[in-house]
Amino acid sequence: RKEVEQDPGPFNVPEGATVAFNCTYSNSASQSFFWYRQDCRKEPKLLMSVYSSGNEDGRFTAQLNRASQYISLLIRDSKLSDSATYLCVVKGDRDYKLSFGAGTTVTVRA
Amino acid sequence: DAGVIQSPRHEVTEMGQEVTLRCKPISGHDYLFWYRQTMMRGLELLIYFNNNVPIDDSGMPEDRFSAKMPNASFSTLKIQPSEPRDSAVYFCASSLGTAPYFGPGTRLLVL
Repeated sequence: RKEVEQDPGPFNVPEGATVAFNCTYSNSASQSFFWYRQDCRKEPKLLMSVYSSGNEDGRFTAQLNRASQYISLLIRDSKLSDSATYLCVVKGDRDYKLSFGAGTTVTVRA
Repeated sequence: DAGVIQSPRHEVTEMGQEVTLRCKPISGHDYLFWYRQTMMRGLELLIYFNNNVPIDDSGMPEDRFSAKMPNASFSTLKIQPSEPRDSAVYFCASSLGTAPYFGPGTRLLVL
């Protein structure tokens, strides 16, 4: 079983729509969680950290469910510029190794 | 403030040649990571350093790969000899122990 699994998508949504997707992780002792976005042929960039109580950053909301071992990302009022691949990242409990999911592709259409 | 700097940005070489990738982390960051990204395998951690010391190199594919960090502002990833299956984007990233910041990557093509 992979350490981090994501639905690859693609999620094709119209501008203004809400899109949400999850990521599951296998290590129940994982400590830290992040969402990165990666544009085509670019480097991954930190979108937001995910806190136990859930957190928002503008149109983006991240949730953590430790019992079911998944994190989620919700994008409200989608913009064309939100089109990207979103990478789920999990840090284990023993060291600083980060495990990356394969990414979920989101395409926002006009 | 400059981000993570990598060079070269693109490298095309022939099988059997030595390839050296370079990275300058963000000033003050004490963690440095080397990742490789391919369509088939996604992002893979090759090795990471803390305070210039290699902590985990279990992701380094084989003896053909080596990485050094002689000081806090410079690291290299060397492949010798290179093979076509090494073709990928190699990212360097640095952090202060939180989420890492990635450099723009080096696109390597081994013919």
